[in-house]
Amino acid sequence: DGGITQSPKYLFRKEGQNVTLSCEQNLNHDAMYWYRQDPGQGLRLIYYSQIVNDFQKGDIAEGYSVSREKKESFPLTVTSAQKNPTAFYLCASTRQGLNTGELFFGEGSRLTVL
Amino acid sequence: DAKTTQPNSMESNEEEPVHLPCNHSTISGTDYIHWYRQLPSQGPEYVIHGLTSNVNNRMASLAIAEDRKSSTLILHRATLRDAAVYYCILRDVGNQFYFGTGTSLTVIP
Repeated sequence: DGGITQSPKYLFRKEGQNVTLSCEQNLNHDAMYWYRQDPGQGLRLIYYSQIVNDFQKGDIAEGYSVSREKKESFPLTVTSAQKNPTAFYLCASTRQGLNTGELFFGEGSRLTVL
Repeated sequence: DAKTTQPNSMESNEEEPVHLPCNHSTISGTDYIHWYRQLPSQGPEYVIHGLTSNVNNRMASLAIAEDRKSSTLILHRATLRDAAVYYCILRDVGNQFYFGTGTSLTVIP
């Protein structure tokens, strides 16, 4: 079945370490997104990409980095510069175009910094 | 500034209709109105979307005000499985989705 796969589902990290969260989609979507969610809060946009080899910062990009070398993949690296990385991270994708329907989400990755 | 505002929480009795309101007074003419819902520790799930006309699907109905500055998600008969956080979101021409803080819906048996 088509969908978005995020891994790992749970991740523990020591302070000062970088960690990469994987996001893969087989929906042939051009646009992909990374969101961060803190407990009891809504979703905040970290980075997004509308096309391969191009991406833009969202509202809270500091301390994060991404790449988009393949259409199917949009990994997110949480760097040691991110001051408070413990959160629930969600990857999403959609087709390009104004009325092309919904945003598809992965199941999320929960990162805990020890 | 948030592009959408929603009540923090609402309650409904099981089997009764639920009307979840959303204000989006700064909506532009090309923004689509989307609704998603999220269960704990899961990714949000698409519910419905529209531009100007009211929309119906198997999950819900979307009523859009004539001036498009507000909308209402209607669940016709709430079930316990409908308990979730509901997000009203605007999608703009740049494929940006603007999330608010959502409404936490409690369904009372």
